[in-house]
Amino acid sequence: DGGITQSPKYLFRKEGQNVTLSCEQNLNHDAMYWYRQDPGQGLRLIYYSQIVNDFQKGDIAEGYSVSREKKESFPLTVTSAQKNPTAFYLCASNTGGYGGNQPQHFGDGTRLSIL
Amino acid sequence: DAKTTQPNSMESNEEEPVHLPCNHSTISGTDYIHWYRQLPSQGPEYVIHGLTSNVNNRMASLAIAEDRKSSTLILHRATLRDAAVYYCILPTISSGSARQLTFGSGTQLTVLP
Repeated sequence: DGGITQSPKYLFRKEGQNVTLSCEQNLNHDAMYWYRQDPGQGLRLIYYSQIVNDFQKGDIAEGYSVSREKKESFPLTVTSAQKNPTAFYLCASNTGGYGGNQPQHFGDGTRLSIL
Repeated sequence: DAKTTQPNSMESNEEEPVHLPCNHSTISGTDYIHWYRQLPSQGPEYVIHGLTSNVNNRMASLAIAEDRKSSTLILHRATLRDAAVYYCILPTISSGSARQLTFGSGTQLTVLP
């Protein structure tokens, strides 16, 4: 079955350490997105990519970096510059355009905590 | 950007229909209305979306008011698995100029056995 796979499900980071969250999709979607969700809150857009080798900052990109070398993969790195990284991270994809009118398919998320 | 207003919580009995309302009085003519739902510790799941006409799929129906200032998500027979937070969303423009889905606090649906 097609879908989005995020790994790991749980991740722990030490102070000053970079960590990378994986997102893979086999839906043949052009566009991919990373969101952050804090407890009891809605989702906020970190980065998005409309096509391979291109990505754009969302509303809260500071302290994060991404790459899009393959259509299927859109990894997110949480750098040591992100001072409050503890959150639930969600990856999504859709068929592209500017995404607003196409349904987004989501992975099951990665929960990141600070040790 | 247009905003949506939903009740914080609703209850329904199992196997009865559920009508989840959403107000979006500042909607623009080209905004689609999206509905997603989210279970605890899971990613959101797409439910349905529409522009002007009522829409049906295997999961639900979407009834859109003629003036488009409100809509209602209809679950025809609620099951315990339908208990989730339901989000009514209008796409917004991010700082990077892409349309994104901005999730508010949604409606927590409780289904009683």
